[in-house]
Amino acid sequence: DIQMTQSPSSLSASVGDRVTITCQASQDISNYLNWYQQKPGKAPKLLIYDASNLETGVPSRFSGSGSGTDFTFTISSLQPEDIATYYCQQYDNLPQTFGGGTKVEIK
Amino acid sequence: QVQLVQSGAEVKKPGASVKVSCKASGYTFTSYDINWVRQATGQGLEWMGWMNPNSGNTGYAQKFQGRVTMTRNTSISTAYMELSSLRSEDTAVYYCARGEYRYWGQGTLVTVSS
Repeated sequence: DIQMTQSPSSLSASVGDRVTITCQASQDISNYLNWYQQKPGKAPKLLIYDASNLETGVPSRFSGSGSGTDFTFTISSLQPEDIATYYCQQYDNLPQTFGGGTKVEIK
Repeated sequence: QVQLVQSGAEVKKPGASVKVSCKASGYTFTSYDINWVRQATGQGLEWMGWMNPNSGNTGYAQKFQGRVTMTRNTSISTAYMELSSLRSEDTAVYYCARGEYRYWGQGTLVTVSS
């Protein structure tokens, strides 16, 4: 199975800060990577697909980059409504696997 | 609009089975795979498997092989996930998601308790 190592597991930042989360795959997954936002009690919401493509309707402050084994997710200017847990997911190989999640809080 | 509506919460005893449904609307049910993902309380996301509603083909994570069965009824655009030999560690919210993960069900809490 492909292991997805996501870091940090949590972070605290101020409104307006730039926030970066990384995800490292244990083997090459090309660009077959999704990023999700999950708020408590809700299903995950797809934000980024194919590593860098912004899902329709998602604010442009969210972005993703990377290919192969190293990926980055960025919130360019953190907003109060961005408080959530974020997950990466690879869908290159079965079983599909998720990163451990990053809980984002406001400082 | 596309919707995936799941069945309600379940409480089961250890050793029992549970069958969760996922009713699709707003698109052609047979055109997209259905994935199943679960999440234990306070934990991360865990992919369980997928099903092609057109062919009925399935693929399961090794961890669930032999215990999970994914089926569908195309006449009512509904996918099912049945998990057997339940244990306390299976207590979780179970989600269905359309193939590209753009659309998710609301989740079904399955509690396994004696």
